[in-house]
Amino acid sequence: KNEVEQSPQNLTAQEGEFITINCSYSVGISALHWLQQHPGGGIVSLFMLSSGKKKHGRLIATINIQEKHSSLHITASHPRDSAVYICAVRRGGGADGLTFGKGTHLIIQP
Amino acid sequence: NAGVMQNPRHLVRRRGQEARLRCSPMKGHSHVYWYRQLPEEGLKFMVYLQKENIIDESGMPKERFSAEFPKEGPSILRIQQVVRGDSAAYFCASSPQGLFSGNTIYFGEGSWLTVV
Repeated sequence: KNEVEQSPQNLTAQEGEFITINCSYSVGISALHWLQQHPGGGIVSLFMLSSGKKKHGRLIATINIQEKHSSLHITASHPRDSAVYICAVRRGGGADGLTFGKGTHLIIQP
Repeated sequence: NAGVMQNPRHLVRRRGQEARLRCSPMKGHSHVYWYRQLPEEGLKFMVYLQKENIIDESGMPKERFSAEFPKEGPSILRIQQVVRGDSAAYFCASSPQGLFSGNTIYFGEGSWLTVV
């Protein structure tokens, strides 16, 4: 079993829909990152969370440390949001490398 | 302020050759991470370096792979005697201090290695 699990693996939605991507992890962490990878491969860091909730434009990320679960929400989705969204955790205890989920392939159709 | 710069973006090597991938972190960043993304798989941590020091290489294959981040110049990931299984995208990332300091991380565009 992977230490970081994302769901769904693939998601196709219509423009304007509210999108939720989930991430569950099984290890103790000090922070969780949400990343976006576009076709062509470049990776952008969207959020880094250690507790609570963060919002940036139409993107909202939440984390529940007790339940070891995080969600990424996209409001008023747009075709340009089509990308792979990756959840990554930084373990506690001094390790500095990230452990990644396999990603959620999101397609927003016009 | 230029982002994390990786080159080459695409590299083709024959089996047995050497591959060298370079990464210049963002200005002011002294912490560099290398990650590998195999086809149809997620990203995997390889190595974490600060200037002139390897801090964590727990994700590096034991043979043929090495990394450095010299005092001057870019970080280099070196793969000797490449095999087909090394074909992957290699991403470099940097942060101003380590992620343990609560810093965010900035990724390069990746280097795609194809071994033929």
